Amino acid sequence: NAGVTQTPKFRVLKTGQSMTLLCAQDMNHEYMYWYRQDPGMGLRLIHYSVGEGTTAKGEVPDGYNVSRLKKQNFLLGLESAAPSQTSVYFCASSFGQCNSGNTIYFGEGSWLTVV
Amino acid sequence: AQSVAQPEDQVNVAEGNPLTVKCTYSVSGNPYLFWYVQYPNRGLQFLLKYITGDNLVKGSYGFEAEFNKSQTSFHLKKPSALVSDSALYFCAVRDSNRDDKIIFGKGTRLHILP
Repeated sequence: NAGVTQTPKFRVLKTGQSMTLLCAQDMNHEYMYWYRQDPGMGLRLIHYSVGEGTTAKGEVPDGYNVSRLKKQNFLLGLESAAPSQTSVYFCASSFGQCNSGNTIYFGEGSWLTVV
Repeated sequence: AQSVAQPEDQVNVAEGNPLTVKCTYSVSGNPYLFWYVQYPNRGLQFLLKYITGDNLVKGSYGFEAEFNKSQTSFHLKKPSALVSDSALYFCAVRDSNRDDKIIFGKGTRLHILP
């Protein structure tokens, strides 16, 4: 069982370039999330989705866009990369039924450097 | 707004000694509380969670956590630390009144000294 898979694992971008991170989950989860992890900042939620075709902003959405065209995929796009977006990005998913404590499952991370 | 705090950036414990990693939270409804562990260059792994019921929750790798409603805390504990427990630990909370997202603390780095 693959769980949550992120691609690519490593990427170096030049300032102003665009790119898309792909997240795929095979657990039939409704909820999917994109977090970024920076030293001393912990995990901060960028965007999330509560179901196919829906997206919502998290704590730090600026400079990012997302799409959830298929239930199993959640794409994170950087329209014009900036050095401040150098970070480790984690995708996650959960069943997320109403008023429940569903466990959230994480991918292995995508290391992005913007030069 | 819901929030979670981990007051210690780093905790050092000698191998074999008991360990505690602290977490406090703030939510408007009933809390759903989680602990995750992250090893170097890896994603977060689920350790344990509190939803309801017994205040002492047992999880993976011998860890447990105690839910204290009056102190709004959910401290992670282990009776006898191993060097292999050295990692970054995250506390997280989901508000039962907001069925949308989980908020993570900033993490506590645990060093187990041989």
